[in-house]
Amino acid sequence: KAGVTQTPRYLIKTRGQQVTLSCSPISGHRSVSWYQQTPGQGLQFLFEYFSETQRNKGNFPGRFSGRQFSNSRSEMNVSTLELGDSALYLCASSFESSGAPQYFGPGTRLTVL
Amino acid sequence: GQQVMQIPQYQHVQEGEDFTTYCNSSTTLSNIQWYKQRPGGHPVFLIQLVKSGEVKKQKRLTFQFGEAKKNSSLHITATQTTDVGTYFCAGIKAAGNKLTFGGGTRVLVKP
Repeated sequence: KAGVTQTPRYLIKTRGQQVTLSCSPISGHRSVSWYQQTPGQGLQFLFEYFSETQRNKGNFPGRFSGRQFSNSRSEMNVSTLELGDSALYLCASSFESSGAPQYFGPGTRLTVL
Repeated sequence: GQQVMQIPQYQHVQEGEDFTTYCNSSTTLSNIQWYKQRPGGHPVFLIQLVKSGEVKKQKRLTFQFGEAKKNSSLHITATQTTDVGTYFCAGIKAAGNKLTFGGGTRVLVKP
């Protein structure tokens, strides 16, 4: 099976802009979770989608949002970008839930200038 | 909220030596998972432990889940340069369904 894919792999944006990241899970996986990874804060859970519904949410401001499509592909959106949003954004898929073993994609490296 | 702590943050190991990294949770866990992230890569799932006192081995890696299901350890024997990376534990609290990751142990191997 093909692994989790994420696009784009790298992004450079300026403060105040918005960005949309895309994730395609492993075929057959219905749960997609998003994580933010920074050197200072480690891996932080953003949210999980299952069957097009947000099932779990981390402690991030409303500027961070997501959605899932009927084919399980997911997008994450960050509006009004801040310098502190610079990070590696990782998507992970699993068969059933965010509590099951996670299979991570390569990530999108976002730099906010 | 649930916290998962890992120690040490950094581990410098001489090639061929053994080392252990520890994971401690503030709450009882239903299961714990371990991941490895190579430099420049993404986390890769290694193993999941579910039962109290469970021990699992993968070649030179030994994973243990504590009796109280609040801590876990990863022991690597005869460290090799291929072991370089950051090892994360991630736990789910009892009756929960969301993974909380520890801060990771970054392992550097001296040849």
